[in-house]
Amino acid sequence: DTGVSQDPRHKITKRGQNVTFRCDPISEHNRLYWYRQTLGQGPEFLTYFQNEAQLEKSRLLSDRFSAERPKGSFSTLEIQRTEQGDSAMYLCASSLAGSGQLNEKLFFGSGTQLSVL
Amino acid sequence: QKEVEQNSGPLSVPEGAIASLNCTYSDRGSQSFFWYRQYSGKSPELIMSIYSNGDKEDGRFTAQLNKASQYVSLLIRDSQPSDSATYLCAWGGSRLTFGEGTQLTVNP
Repeated sequence: DTGVSQDPRHKITKRGQNVTFRCDPISEHNRLYWYRQTLGQGPEFLTYFQNEAQLEKSRLLSDRFSAERPKGSFSTLEIQRTEQGDSAMYLCASSLAGSGQLNEKLFFGSGTQLSVL
Repeated sequence: QKEVEQNSGPLSVPEGAIASLNCTYSDRGSQSFFWYRQYSGKSPELIMSIYSNGDKEDGRFTAQLNKASQYVSLLIRDSQPSDSATYLCAWGGSRLTFGEGTQLTVNP
């Protein structure tokens, strides 16, 4: 399987707990993105990396959210002290920057569905 | 003002008809647009990209871009029940911003 892989597929947690999600991008892709999607809405940008550098983080993103991509390959997204409003599908996507097009095409993983009770 | 706005849904068309989906954007600096299809419970899947004014055709899909009017559209010809999904438009800077999506239902 050479697509974007996310783990776990589902996560149920209690309010106040910390959770961590993992994303493995397409191997030759140098950019990795995290999005969040709630029912009836389009994906909302959270943050993205080029290689190991975090280039942009949404201004709407709480300090409880942190993401890493330590070796420029897989990435983790951690949410501390989860709240019920954090319940959503967390999508990871990857792309190849510098492919000759003005903007990259994103390829999404299957997502991690988070439910905060 | 929203960065991307899509025509309100849901949209329902009979099988074999043309489905027309529209998207407007506010940033005149936008240079690239994409259409993604998302089936219920699944992640978005890229179906079309367009970078310059005019039409771009791929099978039953045609994307249209008009930068002067700041809109992009997607036409689906000979719609099939399997086309029933939510269609998301997105524009790209260093990262993509997505619209809310239009839910399309194709009735047999």
